[in-house]
Amino acid sequence: QVQLVQSGAEVKKPGASVKVSCKASGYTFSKYFMHWVRQAPGQGLEWMGIINPSAGTTTYAQKFQGRVTMTRDTSTSTVHMELSSLRSDDTAVYYCAREVSSSWTVADSWGQGTLVTVSS
Amino acid sequence: QSALTQPASVSGSPGQSITISCTGTSSDVGRYNYVSWYQQHPDKAPKVMIYDVTNRPSGVSNRFSGSKSGNTAYLTISGLQAEDEADYYCTSYTSTMTPVVFGGGTKLTVL
Repeated sequence: QVQLVQSGAEVKKPGASVKVSCKASGYTFSKYFMHWVRQAPGQGLEWMGIINPSAGTTTYAQKFQGRVTMTRDTSTSTVHMELSSLRSDDTAVYYCAREVSSSWTVADSWGQGTLVTVSS
Repeated sequence: QSALTQPASVSGSPGQSITISCTGTSSDVGRYNYVSWYQQHPDKAPKVMIYDVTNRPSGVSNRFSGSKSGNTAYLTISGLQAEDEADYYCTSYTSTMTPVVFGGGTKLTVL
């Protein structure tokens, strides 16, 4: 069965960077794009970007351009999301989610979420 | 401010039907039939309930249905059950610099 297992919770200081990992199993890793979506406490979902694990190409939300980097390691079927210049309003649960269509709007499997807390 | 507008909350009694709206623009909902709806229970990951405006993934109850008119998409849940109480988010592909946008979410309360 499809599984996305994310790295553990992080606490970071303002201005620092964080790197969250998402290890995929149960399917052919390179065949499906992967989203990163975040959710601040008590707030809604926010799309951050998407990576093509096969080519390594990425598309980021305009809001995060210059601050987010998504990469993949095909040898371990893992995608990574690094967010830099952290601010307190980056405190959120970060999810990876597998995309199963060409519309980029059908994420059928999600990771368990990684809480990133930004605090001085 | 979310790109897609949803009501903050809706409610209904068991057995009733409710509809949640998702209003976008001619750059997203009005332009593409790429609207999905996600259900999220507290402290859980979202689950896709409807995709491509009207399609239900395998395993999703046929009590859930989707539609679209102009720049607004709709999620209808019929025969409300207690387990339907959750947050619901719409999402759409867009022609803007940010190709995927979510609505602000709607909290469904089953009375």
